[in-house]
Amino acid sequence: DAKTTQPPSMDCAEGRAANLPCNHSTISGNEYVYWYRQIHSQGPQYIIHGLKNNETNEMASLIITEDRKSSTLILPHATLRDTAVYYCIGRGSSASKIIFGSGTRLSIRP
Amino acid sequence: DVKVTQSSRYLVKRTGEKVFLECVQDMDHENMFWYRQDPGLGLRLIYFSYDVKMKEKGDIPEGYSVSREKKERFSLILESASTNQTSMYLCASSPHMEANEQYFGPGTRLTVT
Repeated sequence: DAKTTQPPSMDCAEGRAANLPCNHSTISGNEYVYWYRQIHSQGPQYIIHGLKNNETNEMASLIITEDRKSSTLILPHATLRDTAVYYCIGRGSSASKIIFGSGTRLSIRP
Repeated sequence: DVKVTQSSRYLVKRTGEKVFLECVQDMDHENMFWYRQDPGLGLRLIYFSYDVKMKEKGDIPEGYSVSREKKERFSLILESASTNQTSMYLCASSPHMEANEQYFGPGTRLTVT
């Protein structure tokens, strides 16, 4: 898995977009960028993943730079329920286990 | 929605007891996983299974065994529980090996006294 670097914490006002950055400068060409989050006392939750193109689903958008060395997870309208630790992971398609780093603790301000 | 359920949210067992943790997924996923999560150590893979009756060791299989008799069910067994197995246990499933999104259950917090 590629090494990823994320800020340890961020905060965002409720209703605003939350933009969570991730650096993955050593990611290889066949490794995807995955995002998960873990709300306190719950299991991790898959959010989104991408390879080269930007991706969007009902939870979030993923913007990957053209050189693939970094990406940004966007929660378009953050709510209090989005308070969680967010993990960015780079991994190959055939990898089995997930390795979570330290992640970013996102706090949403009312 | 994918649903992964675990038999208990909280469990307290005594040292030496045999402990069964059950996990069920309802999406016909091929792969299932057992992790434990400890503060400062992150998520560590114990065992995984890519098919019925198939299993592979993860990073920390010692002291654990698994059983997958049916596709939807993956059981983690602690043959003789020890205090260092006190942890949060997380089960996950994924559709197939090339689809890497894993769907996690709510977790079982096991305390061994």
